[in-house]
Amino acid sequence: GAGVSQSPRYKVTKRGQDVTLRCDPISSHATLYWYQQALGQGPEFLTYFNYEAQPDKSGLPSDRFSAERPEGSISTLTIQRTEQRDSAMYRCASSNLAGGPTGELFFGEGSRLTVL
Amino acid sequence: DAKTTQPNSMESNEEEPVHLPCNHSTISGTDYIHWYRQLPSQGPEYVIHGLTSNVNNRMASLAIAEDRKSSTLILHRATLRDAAVYYCILRDLNTGGFKTIFGAGTRLFVKA
Repeated sequence: GAGVSQSPRYKVTKRGQDVTLRCDPISSHATLYWYQQALGQGPEFLTYFNYEAQPDKSGLPSDRFSAERPEGSISTLTIQRTEQRDSAMYRCASSNLAGGPTGELFFGEGSRLTVL
Repeated sequence: DAKTTQPNSMESNEEEPVHLPCNHSTISGTDYIHWYRQLPSQGPEYVIHGLTSNVNNRMASLAIAEDRKSSTLILHRATLRDAAVYYCILRDLNTGGFKTIFGAGTRLFVKA
C-alpha cells in the first residue's frame, strides 16, 4: 500500500481479554517494527521482523505479548490476558531491508489500546 | 545499545533558528546518528541522518562533532508546525540497525 496501515485505530477491552492488532506495511518493505508508546513517552521497541523472520523479541514486556508475520507481509501483535498497564498506543513501522542502519522508518497512525 | 541524552524541552521563537543538542558519548564507530520527530497525535517521522560528516536536507541540518560524541539538529527557521518531540537515535551498522531505540526526546515549543 501507499503507507503503513494499522487496525483497529482504537480498541477498548476489559482486563483479562485477548487483543490482536494488525499492521499492513508498505508493500516493498521487508522490515517491520512494533513499538509501544505510553502517553507522554517515547516509543518503546518491542520487536522487529525481516520478512517472516523475527530476530529480536527482546522488547516484548512479557510472555503475554507475541507477534507474527507468517507470510512476510502483514503482521499481528497479540496481547493475551490484557492488563491495565498494557494501555498504550501501539505503533508499527516498516523500512526497506536494503537500507540497513540508514533506512528510513515509516510509521503508521497507531492503534490506541485502552484496557478497563 | 549506545544511549543518547537530550534536554527534556526547548523553546524557540517563530522564524528563528533552533539548535537541538544530543549527547552520545558512548557512540561506536559503526553507529549512525538519526533524528526523528513526532508531531502531536502522529507517528514519528524521519528528519535526517549522518555518520561523520555534516548533512543538509530540505528539513534540517545535522552537525556532528569531530569526536562524534555529540550532534546538533539545526532547524534554520522554526515555524509553528515544527513544534514536536525530536528524537536523537543511534543505529548500529554491525547489527543492521534494526533494533532502533527511541529515548524520551526533546519537546520543542515554538512561540509566535
